[in-house]
Amino acid sequence: DTGVSQDPRHKITKRGQNVTFRCDPISEHNRLYWYRQTLGQGPEFLTYFQNEAQLEKSRLLSDRFSAERPKGSFSTLEIQRTEQGDSAMYLCAVTKSGGTDNYGYTFGSGTRLTVV
Amino acid sequence: AQSVTQPDIHITVSEGASLELRCNYSYGATPYLFWYVQSPGQGLQLLLKYFSGDTLVQGIKGFEAEFKRSQSSFNLRKPSVHWSDAAEYFCAVGDSWGKLQFGAGTQVVVTP
Repeated sequence: DTGVSQDPRHKITKRGQNVTFRCDPISEHNRLYWYRQTLGQGPEFLTYFQNEAQLEKSRLLSDRFSAERPKGSFSTLEIQRTEQGDSAMYLCAVTKSGGTDNYGYTFGSGTRLTVV
Repeated sequence: AQSVTQPDIHITVSEGASLELRCNYSYGATPYLFWYVQSPGQGLQLLLKYFSGDTLVQGIKGFEAEFKRSQSSFNLRKPSVHWSDAAEYFCAVGDSWGKLQFGAGTQVVVTP
């Protein structure tokens, strides 16, 4: 148990379909991050939230991607009209800002998306 | 812009031998540096981190890393590798907002 639950663990979808992933931190963390990891690469930053506010989005996050954190706890990442290039592992991470715990990152196990 | 380079894509090491993984970074301010390990099908686990102070940082599982500002490096070391250390290792640099920039990773294979 990593302290961050991601659902589903695996998702296979047909090109053009919409998919939604969920990230549930077990305890309160005011910062939540989404990363994408493709095969053979390190994770790439997508977006992050401070409580419910989305503060930054990467240029990797096209208009087909949207993320929310409505109550400052769990978060969802939706991809519309999926493309084969969206196939990747989507990782969620949480941390508490400020103080010595500023970088106490906890990663979830990720959602592996395969677009066929 | 920050960036991280891990020059070695793949390293093979004998069990019991020493291991060193290289990491070079580019960052305009004082860097926050990290090493993560990822085993197949597993999430990322933090091995160690450097913010300031002593440039030799001790981490979990017997790993250590040394920050060398003059060389823009943060190399990871372990004196004696165990078979369970076979995994992919990622170096990362963080900004003040907690956003991480990862390197491409180094795959470590441990032979008997």
